[in-house]
Amino acid sequence: EVQLLESGGGLVQPGGSLRVSCVASGFTFSSYAMTWVRQAPGKGLEWVSSISGSGRSTYYADSVKGRFTISRDNSKKTLYLQMNGLTAADTAVFYCAKTVVPTAMYYYGMGVWGQGTTVTVSS
Amino acid sequence: EIVLTQSPGTLSLSPGERATLSCRASQNVNSNYVAWYQQKPGQAPRLLIFSTSSRPTGIPDRFTGSGSGTDFTLTISSLEPEDFAVYYCQQFGTSLTFGPGTKVDIK
Repeated sequence: EVQLLESGGGLVQPGGSLRVSCVASGFTFSSYAMTWVRQAPGKGLEWVSSISGSGRSTYYADSVKGRFTISRDNSKKTLYLQMNGLTAADTAVFYCAKTVVPTAMYYYGMGVWGQGTTVTVSS
Repeated sequence: EIVLTQSPGTLSLSPGERATLSCRASQNVNSNYVAWYQQKPGQAPRLLIFSTSSRPTGIPDRFTGSGSGTDFTLTISSLEPEDFAVYYCQQFGTSLTFGPGTKVDIK
């Protein structure tokens, strides 16, 4: 069974940092681009960042560029999102998601999603 | 950046009825990069349609996607009780964006 399990969310002060992780199982992790999508409380979905299967190519939304860093460790089947300079506007549930088909670019669609991890930025 | 508009904002229907959800882009989009998701309260989104009209394995055939250019549609042929949820469209132009969502609720 394909599964994605996020962790690492929590309460952080404005200006602080946090790293969230997503452990994958049930598929050939390195064959799939992976994506982080967030959802602020009561709001819609916002794409945050994506990374190619090899990890060599990364992509960011303008709202997080320069503050967030996506990475992956294919040997550990784990996706990461390092978040620096957090503000209240970053408060959200962060989902990791797997591209719908192997080797496809991330924007074809996200076929499997984790359950999400909550990041709250507040003093 | 391409902006997506979804209409209606809320669709009130009864089980068994047909639902037609619209997603309009501010400029032409590549139909290969149009997807639809369903989200229920407290749950992660679920992919229903990718590449405008392709269904992933396990998605019932009552869900159909269509469209081109700037106008895309998700049709649910006959609503089941589990279909009442929020639906988001997604596209990629220079950046990946989601529409604001259409809520399908029980009339």
